[in-house]
Amino acid sequence: AQRVTQPEKLLSVFKGAPVELKCNYSYSGSPELFWYVQYSRQRLQLLLRHISRESIKGFTADLNKGETSFHLKKPFAQEEDSAMYYCVTRGDSSYKLIFGSGTRLLVRP
Amino acid sequence: DVKVTQSSRYLVKRTGEKVFLECVQDMDHENMFWYRQDPGLGLRLIYFSYDVKMKEKGDIPEGYSVSREKKERFSLILESASTNQTSMYLCASSKSWQEAYEQYFGPGTRLTVT
Repeated sequence: AQRVTQPEKLLSVFKGAPVELKCNYSYSGSPELFWYVQYSRQRLQLLLRHISRESIKGFTADLNKGETSFHLKKPFAQEEDSAMYYCVTRGDSSYKLIFGSGTRLLVRP
Repeated sequence: DVKVTQSSRYLVKRTGEKVFLECVQDMDHENMFWYRQDPGLGLRLIYFSYDVKMKEKGDIPEGYSVSREKKERFSLILESASTNQTSMYLCASSKSWQEAYEQYFGPGTRLTVT
């Protein structure tokens, strides 16, 4: 079964430091991978998808099939990046999303 | 702008009560979902619906049922609430099968069962 693993429950960095939120997946085929984000008191929302290869709010994520990883990166963290981040893959039925356990990012001033 | 609304932000119920959680979306989306969100476990899918009156079990359907009589409304029912169903419940919708990767979430209902 498809699965995504986020090994860190909490990641704390200082403003201006680089950020890397780790995600590893298990899937034998070509996975569809996404990052969702939930800011404090806001709704969960899609941040980016691997297929688009775009940068959103300074964040990028590259699919590494050799390492089965999809880490989320930003070179210089901002305080407003503090949020809960979920790595997500799409299930076999394609309607379903499978969420990782989430990593809380805390950016300190 | 897609709007997904949930009937209550906070709900407190007693063990054994029947509980209804309502979700409404206003963008004519085909798919609707119910999740529960628990710390350290992420989001787990309870049920989803890809059309009116159509439903499929998710990963943790036990103790829950759903109803979708109209396209815009998806209800989650706890037939007999138990304390282990204390959780944050999130409703979501997506436009179509092709765009099922982008789900729009409601604000959540925090349910406490005592």
